[in-house]
Amino acid sequence: DAGITQSPRHKVTETGTPVTLRCHQTENHRYMYWYRQDPGHGLRLIHYSYGVKDTDKGEVSDGYSVSRSKTEDFLLTLESATSSQTSVYFCAISESIARENNEQFFGPGTRLTVL
Amino acid sequence: LAKTTQPISMDSYEGQEVNITCSHNNIATNDYITWYQQFPSQGPRFIIQGYKTKVTNEVASLFIPADRKSSTLSLPRVSLSDTAVYYCLVGSGTYKYIFGTGTRLKVLA
Repeated sequence: DAGITQSPRHKVTETGTPVTLRCHQTENHRYMYWYRQDPGHGLRLIHYSYGVKDTDKGEVSDGYSVSRSKTEDFLLTLESATSSQTSVYFCAISESIARENNEQFFGPGTRLTVL
Repeated sequence: LAKTTQPISMDSYEGQEVNITCSHNNIATNDYITWYQQFPSQGPRFIIQGYKTKVTNEVASLFIPADRKSSTLSLPRVSLSDTAVYYCLVGSGTYKYIFGTGTRLKVLA
């Protein structure tokens, strides 16, 4: 399995508090992604990184920010958590986005509950 | 990005071959077709990818007709452990793949 860890794995927090989720990889892959998964919506891309300090927004980026100061770490921050951000968050990595070599490897997920 | 349509759910029995079809009428010339599998409480896992005709690996086969407007993931002789959600993705040279809600396959004993 690809070396991807997410921390914490479970978190319960209250509305209005800041939350940071961490994704750590040992594969030295260039591309990193944050997704959220909700019933009825499947997986939706929040933010994406194509290198250190290089990030871009996905389809559901409102209320989230990211940072990537090192190749191996990609942080997702909820500045002020809301109940609508209760979800399972997955980090993914890929070596390439070339059409024939774009396999994404996913982490184990973080279950976040905002009360 | 090409939109994909897949059945919401399917049931099958152990030992049967399962075919899951994905429709992608607006597929672009450079797009590849990729399938992922997701078990409960885990992240998705890459299964197979193809551009045209047929691709086979140790897990599945992918059939793509000449017009490439659809594709079929074939799982031979499924077992209970193949119960999962299967996602069809279409795209090329992009990070913005759309996973959608996938097809929930339930394998029955």
